[in-house]
Amino acid sequence: DGGITQSPKYLFRKEGQNVTLSCEQNLNHDAMYWYRQDPGQGLRLIYYSQIVNDFQKGDIAEGYSVSREKKESFPLTVTSAQKNPTAFYLCASTSPLTGPNQPQHFGDGTRLSIL
Amino acid sequence: ELKVEQNPLFLSMQEGKNYTIYCNYSTTSDRLYWYRQDPGKSLESLFVLLSNGAVKQEGRLMASLDTKARLSTLHITAAVHDLSATYFCAVRPNAGGTSYGKLTFGQGTILTVHP
Repeated sequence: DGGITQSPKYLFRKEGQNVTLSCEQNLNHDAMYWYRQDPGQGLRLIYYSQIVNDFQKGDIAEGYSVSREKKESFPLTVTSAQKNPTAFYLCASTSPLTGPNQPQHFGDGTRLSIL
Repeated sequence: ELKVEQNPLFLSMQEGKNYTIYCNYSTTSDRLYWYRQDPGKSLESLFVLLSNGAVKQEGRLMASLDTKARLSTLHITAAVHDLSATYFCAVRPNAGGTSYGKLTFGQGTILTVHP
């Protein structure tokens, strides 16, 4: 079955450490997104990519970095510059092949905490 | 800056009752999405509303869009316990960007249905 796989499910970060969250999709989607969700809040966009080797900052990009070397993969690195990284991180994707207004499909998320 | 506001943020309902969740947004858009999130889980797409007056129904949930009022509603009919979840609306503005552009999410409405 096609879908979006995020790993790990739980991740702990030590102070001063960079950590990378994985997002892989086999839906053949062009566009991929990273969101952050804090308790009791909606989702906020960190970065998005519409095509391989291209990505744009979202609303809260500071302290994060991404790459898009393959269509299937859009990893997110939480750097030591992100002082409050504890949150639930969700990856999503969508595709023009199914229509430009199709909803984004989401992975199961990674819960990141500080040690 | 696009703002999306939902109300109420918390909704406690008795089984069998009806209620409506409201989603107001601040810019021109005729593309609005409703999602459901169970605790600790990912987001599931419920409805895609793409034009003024659009109405979609699935089971006990019905969503509508009034682009002139910049308002969408999610109506719950004869609530059952299985509907307990957090419901988000998300808006993609008409102006600027590309077809796979950013979504802005509301804060979410936490719905609890009691026997």
